[in-house]
Amino acid sequence: AQSVTQLDSHVSVSEGTPVLLRCNYSSSYSPSLFWYVQHPNKGLQLLLKYTSAATLVKGINGFEAEFKKSETSFHLTKPSAHMSDAAEYFCVVSDRPGGGADGLTFGKGTHLIIQP
Amino acid sequence: KAGVTQTPRYLIKTRGQQVTLSCSPISGHRSVSWYQQTPGQGLQFLFEYFSETQRNKGNFPGRFSGRQFSNSRSEMNVSTLELGDSALYLCASSPNFGGSNTGELFFGEGSRLTVL
Repeated sequence: AQSVTQLDSHVSVSEGTPVLLRCNYSSSYSPSLFWYVQHPNKGLQLLLKYTSAATLVKGINGFEAEFKKSETSFHLTKPSAHMSDAAEYFCVVSDRPGGGADGLTFGKGTHLIIQP
Repeated sequence: KAGVTQTPRYLIKTRGQQVTLSCSPISGHRSVSWYQQTPGQGLQFLFEYFSETQRNKGNFPGRFSGRQFSNSRSEMNVSTLELGDSALYLCASSPNFGGSNTGELFFGEGSRLTVL
């Protein structure tokens, strides 16, 4: 069985400082991993995905994540936070290639707060 | 290209009533999945439809049902509403069944249901 743990429910950073959102996963197979972002009153949007290619994945809006198999982690980072980054972020794992949407496991989410 | 459209965006119902939510996927997308999002439980998978057939279902009671039409539009229905059904219901579309595993999930903005 697979699982995903987002280590922080809330993260607060100042504008212009680095962002780190932590995600650990558990999977019996080689997983695919995703980060989604949800702005207030909006649906989820895919930020980036890892599907067994390069371990350092670049996404939209300057975000990137590194897959570390030895640490079973997939932390999301951004060098410099912007006010528009304030949102809920979800780490998602899938270990069923070709499977349906029921094969996705969503983390509980990390609420990112940007201080001016 | 228009995104995923969900209607209505907000609705208030009373216990015992039923509700129908609608989802129009991105043009050309054949897979539609539904999720319930609450502060306590996070995102939980409800069901997925592909080519008018329910392909999988989450761990929800039979009061939750859905269907998909030949144009890929989908509806979900909740009967005999309970207070605990208050949530944001999200719909996501994907070009193909299994697209979820490649991160090809495109979410609508959701329908926020309040049950009084």
